[in-house]
Amino acid sequence: DTEVTQTPKHLVMGMTNKKSLKCEQHMGHRAMYWYKQKAKKPPELMFVYSYEKLSINESVPSRFSPECPNSSLLNLHLHALQPEDSALYLCASQAQAEAKNIQYFGAGTRLSVL
Amino acid sequence: GNSVTQMEGPVTLSEEAFLTINCTYTATGYPSLFWYVQYPGEGLQLLLKATKADDKGSNKGFEATYRKETTSFHLEKGSVQVSDSAVYFCASQLGGTSYGKLTFGQGTILTVHP
Repeated sequence: DTEVTQTPKHLVMGMTNKKSLKCEQHMGHRAMYWYKQKAKKPPELMFVYSYEKLSINESVPSRFSPECPNSSLLNLHLHALQPEDSALYLCASQAQAEAKNIQYFGAGTRLSVL
Repeated sequence: GNSVTQMEGPVTLSEEAFLTINCTYTATGYPSLFWYVQYPGEGLQLLLKATKADDKGSNKGFEATYRKETTSFHLEKGSVQVSDSAVYFCASQLGGTSYGKLTFGQGTILTVHP
């Protein structure tokens, strides 16, 4: 099973709302990633967790708050977003962050900020 | 630094035509190289990979060879199908302190007509 599951698939929120994106994998992977993808562009890395610790934050605005409660789960908490934050948010995982591994992606959450 | 340069396209082909999408990389070390495919409305799926020079990755009729001398990883398929219509991303990955970060090319939109 190489599945990374993301919920919800679609999300519409206002600029004053608080919402969360969820990502789950049961492959025993110890590295998990959040990417942001705008239309017709490649994914842009936002955060990397390695062994449940935040290892990389690519200068992401504080209105995005990641959380890794355990080795299978990754959340992205959203607050006071802007319309330009509308995008496809992709979660990915790989066995270990320090090695060159295959990274498996979820189907993504398509976020619209009104 | 690390970068991936990819033929942007878009590429439009007739069914059963030969496909080549060019990809070249620069890296400070010895990266693993990947081709990912993204179908409309979906996340990224690994298409094939190569981890060292002269490795050939292959899957679903697609092939790519890791050429260290030309720093290239061109994607080829001998006979494309309508179902191959998608966006194709070339990516490189270094180990160690990059924490598995994938460096993507800009993506190539492929459209195959019957």
